[in-house]
Amino acid sequence: ELKVEQNPLFLSMQEGKNYTIYCNYSTTSDRLYWYRQDPGKSLESLFVLLSNGAVKQEGRLMASLDTKARLSTLHITAAVHDLSATYFCAVDLDTGNQFYFGTGTSLTVIP
Amino acid sequence: DAGVTQSPTHLIKTRGQQVTLRCSPKSGHDTVSWYQQALGQGPQFIFQYYEEEERQRGNFPDRFSGHQFPNYSSELNVNALLLGDSALYLCASSFLTRLGEQYFGPGTRLTVT
Repeated sequence: ELKVEQNPLFLSMQEGKNYTIYCNYSTTSDRLYWYRQDPGKSLESLFVLLSNGAVKQEGRLMASLDTKARLSTLHITAAVHDLSATYFCAVDLDTGNQFYFGTGTSLTVIP
Repeated sequence: DAGVTQSPTHLIKTRGQQVTLRCSPKSGHDTVSWYQQALGQGPQFIFQYYEEEERQRGNFPDRFSGHQFPNYSSELNVNALLLGDSALYLCASSFLTRLGEQYFGPGTRLTVT
């Protein structure tokens, strides 16, 4: 069974600081996704990574994928309060949009 | 384009009852997937429907069943509700042949008492 693990599970960081969230998965896949979820809300797509070495950036967030290491990272640069949310990575096998989600990282940015 | 819509928004049921949740996919999408998200956890795949057939299924008991209609909308049915079925139920739609582009609906919050 595919396992997707994120760390840390909880992250409290000060505004202006940098940090990285890690996502490890247990089987071969070259499709990985990052989502954001605000409390009580649905999932908002952040990044779609579809090949080894893929790197995408949007504002203060940058995601990368290393399929050989089965690792994706979500890097936060100069955090601001608006980034406080729970972040999920998800992996898709060759079965067509059947996503396996990680445990989630709850991020709190402190002023 | 309204995106993925789900109804109802919230629902409270009693143990042993049955519930039906509904999902309308994003315009043009032919595939609907259902996920269960328990509090504090990541979403878990329940099943996926394409061309009115269940195409894939996650590790959920037969109490969970579904249906897809000719207009691609879908229903999730849960029988003999347990307290542990309390969760946010998310519907996602996509094109079967276009991997990775999956859009999630706002979810239905089910509480079982």
